[in-house]
Amino acid sequence: DGGITQSPKYLFRKEGQNVTLSCEQNLNHDAMYWYRQDPGQGLRLIYYSQIVNDFQKGDIAEGYSVSREKKESFPLTVTSAQKNPTAFYLCASSVQPGGDTEAFFGQGTRLTVV
Amino acid sequence: KNEVEQSPQNLTAQEGEFITINCSYSVGISALHWLQQHPGGGIVSLFMLSSGKKKHGRLIATINIQEKHSSLHITASHPRDSAVYICAVREVVFGKGTKLTVNP
Repeated sequence: DGGITQSPKYLFRKEGQNVTLSCEQNLNHDAMYWYRQDPGQGLRLIYYSQIVNDFQKGDIAEGYSVSREKKESFPLTVTSAQKNPTAFYLCASSVQPGGDTEAFFGQGTRLTVV
Repeated sequence: KNEVEQSPQNLTAQEGEFITINCSYSVGISALHWLQQHPGGGIVSLFMLSSGKKKHGRLIATINIQEKHSSLHITASHPRDSAVYICAVREVVFGKGTKLTVNP
């Protein structure tokens, strides 16, 4: 079955450690996205990638880094520079950017930093 | 001002009621998306529409491009419809969501 997979579902890390969240899709989509969701707030874009080896900062990129070495994979690293990393992180993909095509979402990773 | 405004923020209904959730946006768009997020967090895309109306089962979505407004309707609501419904324009601009609770 085609889809988008995020792992793990729950992640706990100590403060000051970098942590990488996985996002994989087998839909052959060019565009991939990372969002952060906090209680009472809408989804906010962290980074997006329109094509392999290219990515752009979203609204809240500070303290995060990404890579897009393969079409299928768009991992997100939450660095120690991110001041408030505890949140729910969602990954999505679409055939192409621009909003004209349906986006598919992963099940999310809930990151807790203690 | 947010580019996407949803109303109401919270909605409680009795099973069987007709539900309407509204979305207004201020940016030019080619398509608007309605998403559903269940308590576990995963998001499902319900509709993508650029004009008129779409129907899927008990869900109906409409959009008025001139007025920059869309509505999501649920007919004969059921407790399993309880979720957060999110309106989005492009992949980067989302409403804050409407939390729907349908009581039996």
